[in-house]
Amino acid sequence: DAGVIQSPRHEVTEMGQEVTLRCKPISGHNSLFWYRQTMMRGLELLIYFNNNVPIDDSGMPEDRFSAKMPNASFSTLKIQPSEPRDSAVYFCASSLGQNEKLFFGSGTQLSVL
Amino acid sequence: EDQVTQSPEALRLQEGESSSLNCSYTVSGLRGLFWYRQDPGKGPEFLFTLYSAGEEKEKERLKATLTKKESFLHITAPKPEDSATYLCAVQANTGGFKTIFGAGTRLFVKA
Repeated sequence: DAGVIQSPRHEVTEMGQEVTLRCKPISGHNSLFWYRQTMMRGLELLIYFNNNVPIDDSGMPEDRFSAKMPNASFSTLKIQPSEPRDSAVYFCASSLGQNEKLFFGSGTQLSVL
Repeated sequence: EDQVTQSPEALRLQEGESSSLNCSYTVSGLRGLFWYRQDPGKGPEFLFTLYSAGEEKEKERLKATLTKKESFLHITAPKPEDSATYLCAVQANTGGFKTIFGAGTRLFVKA
């Protein structure tokens, strides 16, 4: 079992640039979650999908953030344009069901200069 | 508003010194309470799920308990490899299937 796979592992970009984070959930899992982790705010839920459909995006901070899940094995989180306050670790997690335990990826460390 | 508060923020123990971590929660209706462990540079890793007051779960040196307002993670005779951040999370009966996390307790166990 390969687990949840995220890429890139680290991303350094300049303010104003577009950033795309990628996630491959565990095969067979039908729920996918995007979280952001910072020292100040801890782990915050940004958006989650069930069966590839976005269910709740109320945690997405601004219109600069968007997420897609075109199929059961792939999801993206895009930030355009990026700002220094977006710097954080972004985690993707998947689960067998919406109320089941979460399996997290290793995260993407994003630094916006 | 659903809320999770963990204490203490940080805990330093000597190897073998047992202690407890606290997780207080306020939710409209608890569907489940989760404990995760997070090591530096990694994603959180699932430890336990508790569903109802009075329930207990154990795994090696860890034991999780649940009441109507809080959960405890008891660590018995900890070892240095238990050093990590322990996160508590809740899922409420309302508000869809959001899992809301506390800020975590950073545990340091010294040999």
